[in-house]
Amino acid sequence: EIVLTQSPGTLSLSPGDRATLSCRASQSVSSYLAWYQQKPGQAPRLLIYGASSRATGIPDRFSGSESGTDFTLTVSRLEPEDFAMYYCQQYRSSPPGYTFGQGTKLEIK
Amino acid sequence: QVQLQESGPGLVKPSGTLSLTCAVSSGSINSGTWWSWVRQPPEKGLEWIGEISHGGSTNYNPSLKSRVTILLDKSKNQLSLNLTSVTAADTAIYYCANNGYYSIHHWGQGTLVAVSS
Repeated sequence: EIVLTQSPGTLSLSPGDRATLSCRASQSVSSYLAWYQQKPGQAPRLLIYGASSRATGIPDRFSGSESGTDFTLTVSRLEPEDFAMYYCQQYRSSPPGYTFGQGTKLEIK
Repeated sequence: QVQLQESGPGLVKPSGTLSLTCAVSSGSINSGTWWSWVRQPPEKGLEWIGEISHGGSTNYNPSLKSRVTILLDKSKNQLSLNLTSVTAADTAIYYCANNGYYSIHHWGQGTLVAVSS
């Protein structure tokens, strides 16, 4: 079973700062890695798929990258609406299915 | 953009069966994509439950596989979730969703189901 470990658990930053969120996979997941944003009382919203492709309507301040089994979500300059919970997710082919990381809370400092 | 709306009982008794439906609008359930159910216990993370293709093929989370059934109703353009032998651990917000490229692209607003006597 592939385990996704997100770090840090909580990230405290100010608007205008750069945010770097990490997701480490316990084994190779190819580029089948996605990132989601979730605000309180709302459903998750897809930000990034295929490790680095932005979903429709997502601002270009959000970017994703990968290095082996390490994946990074970067928010280049935080806006007030970016403070939320973020989850990474991987797709596995055998058996087929999805696994989520435990989440990183991005909070206002 | 596809719209998804979950519905069903908000309270289920322990050992009972949780049954939810998801109405799909602004799109067809025959569109060639896969459809997922995901749940989120209160104040906790996301757990994928399973998925179904437009042709009716299914994949389930191994931890839930013995209790889960996902079905399509093409005549009503909706999908359903049945989860048997529920316990308090199954209390969660249940989301239906539309899959994309190895990810989940569109989500319903979710429905809270509590398991309690």
